[in-house]
Amino acid sequence: EIVLTQSPATLSLSPGERATLSCRASQSISTYLAWYQQKPGQPPRLLIYDASSRATGIPARFSGSGSGTDFTLTISSLEPEDFALYYCQQRYDWPPGGITFGQGTRLDIK
Amino acid sequence: QVQLQESGPGLVRPSQTLSLTCTVSGASISTDGSYWTWIRQHPGKGPECLGYIYFTGRTYYKSSLKSRLTISLDTSKNQVSLKLTSVSAADTAVYYCARIFYYGSGSYWPDYWGQGTLVTVSS
Repeated sequence: EIVLTQSPATLSLSPGERATLSCRASQSISTYLAWYQQKPGQPPRLLIYDASSRATGIPARFSGSGSGTDFTLTISSLEPEDFALYYCQQRYDWPPGGITFGQGTRLDIK
Repeated sequence: QVQLQESGPGLVRPSQTLSLTCTVSGASISTDGSYWTWIRQHPGKGPECLGYIYFTGRTYYKSSLKSRLTISLDTSKNQVSLKLTSVSAADTAVYYCARIFYYGSGSYWPDYWGQGTLVTVSS
């Protein structure tokens, strides 16, 4: 099973600052990576797919980059509603392989 | 607008079978061309994909759950079902159903999710 490791576990920043979240895969996954945002009591919301494509309705301040084993989600200027949990997810050998998620990065208001 | 809604008992006794249903509206599970998946999330943990089913009925199950898990389609009701047998406290989690949508060029990603349902395994 491909393991995704996210860092840092918690990131404390202020509104208006730039956020950089990392996700590392245990083996090369090309660009088969997505990023999700999750708020309390809600399901994850797709932000980025194929490592760098923004999902429908996602603001331009969210961007993704990377390929192989190292990926980054960047939020260029934090808005109050951006403080949440963020997960990366891979689907490299899918189907018929599995889909796995990282353990998450919590983005807190400083 | 695609909507998914999970339903089922919130409390299941240990060793019993957990049965959940996902009712889909705004898309046909038999013609949409999508995969349909069940994902669970233990408190404070990342999501875990349990398995998925194609609109043709072909399934994939996570290896550690393969002996206990069944995912099926009821096209007459536009529903996706999950059955997990011999449950234990480790199966306590929020269970989500989601659509894995085709974005083109071989790209599939979960886009629409249900709100989730908390299932507690306890005697």
